[in-house]
Amino acid sequence: SQQGEEDPQALSIQEGENATMNCSYKTSINNLQWYRQNSGRGLVHLILIRSNEREKHSGRLRVTLDTSKKSSSLLITASRAADTASYFCATDSYYSGGGADGLTFGKGTHLIIQP
Amino acid sequence: DGGITQSPKYLFRKEGQNVTLSCEQNLNHDAMYWYRQDPGQGLRLIYYSQIVNDFQKGDIAEGYSVSREKKESFPLTVTSAQKNPTAFYLCASKGPTEAFFGQGTRLTVV
Repeated sequence: SQQGEEDPQALSIQEGENATMNCSYKTSINNLQWYRQNSGRGLVHLILIRSNEREKHSGRLRVTLDTSKKSSSLLITASRAADTASYFCATDSYYSGGGADGLTFGKGTHLIIQP
Repeated sequence: DGGITQSPKYLFRKEGQNVTLSCEQNLNHDAMYWYRQDPGQGLRLIYYSQIVNDFQKGDIAEGYSVSREKKESFPLTVTSAQKNPTAFYLCASKGPTEAFFGQGTRLTVV
C-alpha cells in the first residue's frame, strides 16, 4: 500500500521558532491530512488539504500541497513547548485491495520544542 | 460526549493466549479501522470495515481477527498466531474526511 514519508524523522528547535515538516507520497490522492500524536495517546486531526488546493491555513498551521511532486509541508509558526509531539501525514485514497476509501499514514516527525 | 473509546488502556497477555481489544464509537461512522504502532514507527493497518457485517484485511492482518456485528463496535482479537503482539493498538472511525482516534491500548506479552 502507498505510504506517506515524513522528513525529518526528528526535529528539535527553540520555542518561538518556526517548525517545518515535509511529507512525500507515492500515488494519486483525494486529500492529504496532518495529525498530531502526543506520547502514548491517540492521533488528533489538525488540518486537511484537498488535491485541488495548494495552500491552507489554520491558526499557526500552514499546509502546502504540490501534487506534481507528490509532496506536502506543514509549517508551525511561533512554536510553543506544548507543540512537542509527533506529527503524521496521512493520504486519503482508495485502498488498492478493497477499493474503499481509507487513510494511510507515514512514520511521523517527532518534534521537540526546547523552552 | 461524542467520540471513540478503546479499552482497556493497558493489557497484558501470556504467550499462547488470545486477547480482545474493545473499540466503540458513537459518531455514527460507517468506517472503522485498527492500526498497530511500534516504537518510532508509523501506523500500520491491520483491518478495516466500511459497513456492518463486512471487513477487509489491511497490510498486517496475520494473527489478528475482527468482527463488525454492530455499527458502533469493532473489536480486535489478537490471537496466539501473532508472534510479536507487543505494541500500541489504535482504533479509528472515519467520517467523510477526517478520522477520529481512540486513546489506544498498549498490549504487552509477559
